[in-house]
Amino acid sequence: GNSVTQMEGPVTLSEEAFLTINCTYTATGYPSLFWYVQYPGEGLQLLLKATKADDKGSNKGFEATYRKETTSFHLEKGSVQVSDSAVYFCALSDRDDYKLSFGAGTTVTVRA
Amino acid sequence: NAGVMQNPRHLVRRRGQEARLRCSPMKGHSHVYWYRQLPEEGLKFMVYLQKENIIDESGMPKERFSAEFPKEGPSILRIQQVVRGDSAAYFCASSQESQGNYGYTFGSGTRLTVV
Repeated sequence: GNSVTQMEGPVTLSEEAFLTINCTYTATGYPSLFWYVQYPGEGLQLLLKATKADDKGSNKGFEATYRKETTSFHLEKGSVQVSDSAVYFCALSDRDDYKLSFGAGTTVTVRA
Repeated sequence: NAGVMQNPRHLVRRRGQEARLRCSPMKGHSHVYWYRQLPEEGLKFMVYLQKENIIDESGMPKERFSAEFPKEGPSILRIQQVVRGDSAAYFCASSQESQGNYGYTFGSGTRLTVV
């Protein structure tokens, strides 16, 4: 079955630091990959996605590249802000499937 | 545009009581999904509904849990005779079509605490 493994947190950074959250996956076919973000007290929001190998998803300064050879989809941001403090979830779905499989989430705190 | 609306935001129930969680999808969305987030875990799929139909309930516990999405009104997730292990955040999501590749819109969740 499908599964997602995320880097464990919590992660604490200073403003303008570089952020990487590792995500690897196991899937039987060619899944679509997602990063969701959950700000305090809110629901999950789609941050970015990639639907095939070598695709790069990007949004709000965050990037992640679909690496089929390493089954990874690591999230990166070059310069974080306090407002990036949130829980980040890596997720996947089989092509044309409605179910998402999520990682356990990584809590990121950015200090001024 | 109103997003996916869930209520209540927080719900406290004593063991043995019933919990009813409500989810109003985004306007124009006819597909609803429920997920559960246990402490320290990622979200787990529970059930997928369309209007008046349960499409997939493979993630739902076999006993005490039920879900519906009537022709009129919100989707309801019902948990009967709650136990402490039911304490979790329950998220609802909606979509126009069943397109997992494109993700869908989540509500803010209902945090259930069983005391």
